[in-house]
Amino acid sequence: DAGITQSPRYKITETGRQVTLMCHQTWSHSYMFWYRQDLGHGLRLIYYSAAADITDKGEVPDGYVVSRSKTENFPLTLESATRSQTSVYFCASRNQGAYEQYFGPGTRLTVT
Amino acid sequence: EDQVTQSPEALRLQEGESSSLNCSYTVSGLRGLFWYRQDPGKGPEFLFTLYSAGEEKEKERLKATLTKKESFLHITAPKPEDSATYLCAVQARNQGGKLIFGQGTELSVKP
Repeated sequence: DAGITQSPRYKITETGRQVTLMCHQTWSHSYMFWYRQDLGHGLRLIYYSAAADITDKGEVPDGYVVSRSKTENFPLTLESATRSQTSVYFCASRNQGAYEQYFGPGTRLTVT
Repeated sequence: EDQVTQSPEALRLQEGESSSLNCSYTVSGLRGLFWYRQDPGKGPEFLFTLYSAGEEKEKERLKATLTKKESFLHITAPKPEDSATYLCAVQARNQGGKLIFGQGTELSVKP
């Protein structure tokens, strides 16, 4: 049971570059979420999706783009990376009718 | 505004020394309160969901309780392997399943 995976696990990129973080889950969960975790701010929601082709903004969506063409995948794209987007990014999922979310292992992104 | 506050920020215990972590919350209609454990370099691991005041859940040395304003995570006779950051989160009704997290309590248990 692979569960929820993220790739890459570590990424270094330069300011202004586009970068995509991948999230894949094998549970067929309806909901998927992207969070960032920073010291002093805790976990903050970036975007979430209730189903394929349905996405909505979270607390800190600026500078990020998401898509969800398939239930199992939920990529997060930084269109033009900035240093303030240096963070650890977590993907999570939950099933319809359940409320607990299950998290992936995270991607540590550094923007230089 | 929905908000979650955890205390203390850090807690150091000796092995076997029981204690409690606090999670205070304000939310417009609580759907659920969640406890997670996070080890360094890893994603949060789900522990418990509490839905209504008076509810309790237990798992090994951990026991979570809920009132209308706060939740406690009681740790009985902790071991070094219980060392981690413990996160509390709430979900409000009609919020699309979004979780609001507290800052976490970093627990260190020394042998």
